[in-house]
Amino acid sequence: DGGITQSPKYLFRKEGQNVTLSCEQNLNHDAMYWYRQDPGQGLRLIYYSQIVNDFQKGDIAEGYSVSREKKESFPLTVTSAQKNPTAFYLCASSTQTGNYGYTFGSGTRLTVV
Amino acid sequence: GENVEQHPSTLSVQEGDSAVIKCTYSDSASNYFPWYKQELGKGPQLIIDIRSNVGEKKDQRIAVTLNKTAKHFSLHITETQPEDSAVYFCAASIGTGTASKLTFGTGTRLQVTL
Repeated sequence: DGGITQSPKYLFRKEGQNVTLSCEQNLNHDAMYWYRQDPGQGLRLIYYSQIVNDFQKGDIAEGYSVSREKKESFPLTVTSAQKNPTAFYLCASSTQTGNYGYTFGSGTRLTVV
Repeated sequence: GENVEQHPSTLSVQEGDSAVIKCTYSDSASNYFPWYKQELGKGPQLIIDIRSNVGEKKDQRIAVTLNKTAKHFSLHITETQPEDSAVYFCAASIGTGTASKLTFGTGTRLQVTL
């Protein structure tokens, strides 16, 4: 079955550490996105990528980095520069052409300990 | 950029009643409006969407209406059931032939009581 897979489901990070969240899709979608979800604030865009080897900052990119070396993969690194990284992170993908809804992964809950 | 406002933030209805969630958007160029349902601990799932060339769309108990002049759109759920309990998000985007970039509302927590 086609879908989008995020791992791990739960992740704990110590202060000052970088961590990488995985996102893989087998939908043959060109575009991929990372959103952060905090209670009462909806979904905020961190980074997005429309094609391989290209990506753009979203509304809250500070303290995060991404790469897009393969069409299927769009990993997100939460760096030590991110002041408040505890949140639920969602990865999504969509077709490039036209205007269609996203397919979301099941999310990664990151907690700083 | 686009700004999407969503109301109410919480909504409680009795089973069998109707539920309405409203959203407004700021950019008149937006032309695609999806709605997502998110259950606890899961990613959002697309439940219905509407494009700017259509005023209303229905899918069984779910309908969405769009008023382009007023720049608002609404989700209507009829004959609500306990499994409708979830957080619902509206979104808006401008599609120009490249990948859309959705702007989301802040969500509505719907509770359907027995």
